[in-house]
Amino acid sequence: QVQLVESGGAVVQPGRSLRLSCAASGFTFSTYVMHWVRQAPGKGLEWVAVISHDGNQKYYADSVKGRFTISRDNFKGTVYLQMSSLRTDDRAIYYCARGAYYLDYWGQGTLVTVSS
Amino acid sequence: VLTQTPLSLSATPGQPASISCQSNQSLLHSDGETYLYWYLQKPGQSPQLLIYEVSKRFSGVPDRFSGSGSRTDFTLKISRVEAEDVGVYFCMESVQFPPITFGQGTRLDIK
Repeated sequence: QVQLVESGGAVVQPGRSLRLSCAASGFTFSTYVMHWVRQAPGKGLEWVAVISHDGNQKYYADSVKGRFTISRDNFKGTVYLQMSSLRTDDRAIYYCARGAYYLDYWGQGTLVTVSS
Repeated sequence: VLTQTPLSLSATPGQPASISCQSNQSLLHSDGETYLYWYLQKPGQSPQLLIYEVSKRFSGVPDRFSGSGSRTDFTLKISRVEAEDVGVYFCMESVQFPPITFGQGTRLDIK
């Protein structure tokens, strides 16, 4: 069955960097578009970034453009989110999700806390 | 922008419930599809897809869930609410993907 397992969440200081990973299994990873979506504690969902199946196209929410970078390794079946210049308002659970126009499977999420 | 109403809902088991999602733009794409989806986030879990393209139930979703609507106005209906349906319901659109936009969520609990 489809599984997405995020990791890498941590407590970091403002201005620092962090890399999240999402390991996929149970499907042909290299044929799927992948997303990152975040959810601040007790809040709604915010789309963050998307990467095409081959990694050649990447798009970002305005709130993270220039600070976050999405990438993927199709050999490892893993999608990444490199986050830099982290701000307190980046604090959230970060989910990876599979799909193009809609997200049919989601991971369980990894918590990023930005605090001094 | 997607606007959901109500923001919270207290439902009686066995009774129907509905949630509205209104968009400030038409979600009908030039390809003829309407890019509106519904998700349920159960307590402590990640969101799960219920409905795609307005009215199509995702694999494994009980038939008590149904979606309807067109262009800018959409509804998710639960024909007979069960205890396991508690959580937060989100609508989502991707007509101009990217980006993807979510509604603010509707919290459903059981009376």
